[in-house]
Amino acid sequence: EDKVVQSPLSLVVHEGDTVTLNCSYEVTNFRSLLWYKQEKKAPTFLFMLTSSGIEKKSGRLSSILDKKELSSILNITATQTGDSAIYLCAALQGGSEKLVFGKGTKLTVNP
Amino acid sequence: ETGVTQSPTHLIKTRGQQVTLRCSSQSGHNTVSWYQQALGQGPQFIFQYYREEENGRGNFPPRFSGLQFPNYSSELNVNALELDDSALYLCASSRPGVTGSDSTDTQYFGPGTRLTVL
Repeated sequence: EDKVVQSPLSLVVHEGDTVTLNCSYEVTNFRSLLWYKQEKKAPTFLFMLTSSGIEKKSGRLSSILDKKELSSILNITATQTGDSAIYLCAALQGGSEKLVFGKGTKLTVNP
Repeated sequence: ETGVTQSPTHLIKTRGQQVTLRCSSQSGHNTVSWYQQALGQGPQFIFQYYREEENGRGNFPPRFSGLQFPNYSSELNVNALELDDSALYLCASSRPGVTGSDSTDTQYFGPGTRLTVL
């Protein structure tokens, strides 16, 4: 059965801290790994990772895929209260083109 | 803003009723995927429509059905509503193409429809 597991499920930090969110996947016909940020309703696209070992960066956020370990991490440096959200990891399955999501990591950044 | 719109925003129905949710895809996108997100869970894939044909389905019963129109907008229909159907229903549009291309494989989500079944 295809599955994506995220850890931790919940994380509380102080502003300025650096956090690392983890995602592991077991998905047949894996194509890409995507990260989304969900604050209220719509998940907002952050990154899509297809190649192993190539880091993608956007401001204070960065992410990397390890296809050997079937995992990915999302790093957020110098966290701000606006980073508080649920971070979803999803594996894109080729053929069906469906996203298999993890349960998400709820990040709370306190001032 | 992703350019993906959904209606209605909220909906309250009673058990046994039927509901239709609507989604307009982002300009240039020919594929719409529907997901159900229960409270505290990640989105679960319901089905996907590509050029008006169903292109994959998740583990949802036949009372979940859909349509895609020539302008690539889509509907999700749920018959005989059950209490467990209460969830956030998300649609996402994309334009699958070249493998690994961020501009085509990425699915962009709409704001969702919150369905409550009493």
